[in-house]
Amino acid sequence: NFMLTQPHSVSESPGKTVTISCTRSSGSIASSYVQWYQQRPGSSPTTVIYEDNQRPSGVPDRFSGSIDSSSNSASLTISGLQTEDEADYSCQSYDSSSQVFGGGTKLTVL
Amino acid sequence: QVQLHESGPGLVKPSETLSLTCAVSGYSISSGYNWGWIRQPPGKGLEWIGNVYHSGSTYYNPSLQSRVTMSVDTSKNKFSLKMSSVTAADTAVYYCARWGSSFDYWGPGTLVTASS
Repeated sequence: NFMLTQPHSVSESPGKTVTISCTRSSGSIASSYVQWYQQRPGSSPTTVIYEDNQRPSGVPDRFSGSIDSSSNSASLTISGLQTEDEADYSCQSYDSSSQVFGGGTKLTVL
Repeated sequence: QVQLHESGPGLVKPSETLSLTCAVSGYSISSGYNWGWIRQPPGKGLEWIGNVYHSGSTYYNPSLQSRVTMSVDTSKNKFSLKMSSVTAADTAVYYCARWGSSFDYWGPGTLVTASS
């Protein structure tokens, strides 16, 4: 099995852009899609990116996803940060029989 | 609108079996998709427990496989989780969710505490 490693926390100012990374420990990041979830305190996670770079309806285009095979990682980029973006963000991927979540990143918008 | 809702005891004694059920509304489980259980210990990240397919096939987290059983009841549009020999480390909020291209619908979660 593989692991997904995220930074524990990131912070940025309103209006700025932040990028959260998600590094796959073994196997190619491109071998299976990566999803990103937003979780506000006391709430269930919601999908902000699926299949590496697809946004569900209702998710602002300020949210974008990408993968980088050279670093074997995925990234979630949030531009034009708003205070409402402050939340935990988790990446998730899978292999033939397992789903794996990253440890989550706490985004502070200060 | 698809809705999921977890139910089950909020307190389980160590060494006993945790049993949870997820009721699905707005979609028939027998129509397709896979259905998963995910947990989140207090202050920690999400951990996938396993998926049960509408056909009844199951896939479990290798680290939990020896203690976990999942099943689906299409007649009641529910699916279930059983986890045996619980310890304090199993204390968490347990979520059920639908897996499509992502875990796209989640229940509100239920806190299960393993304590005597």
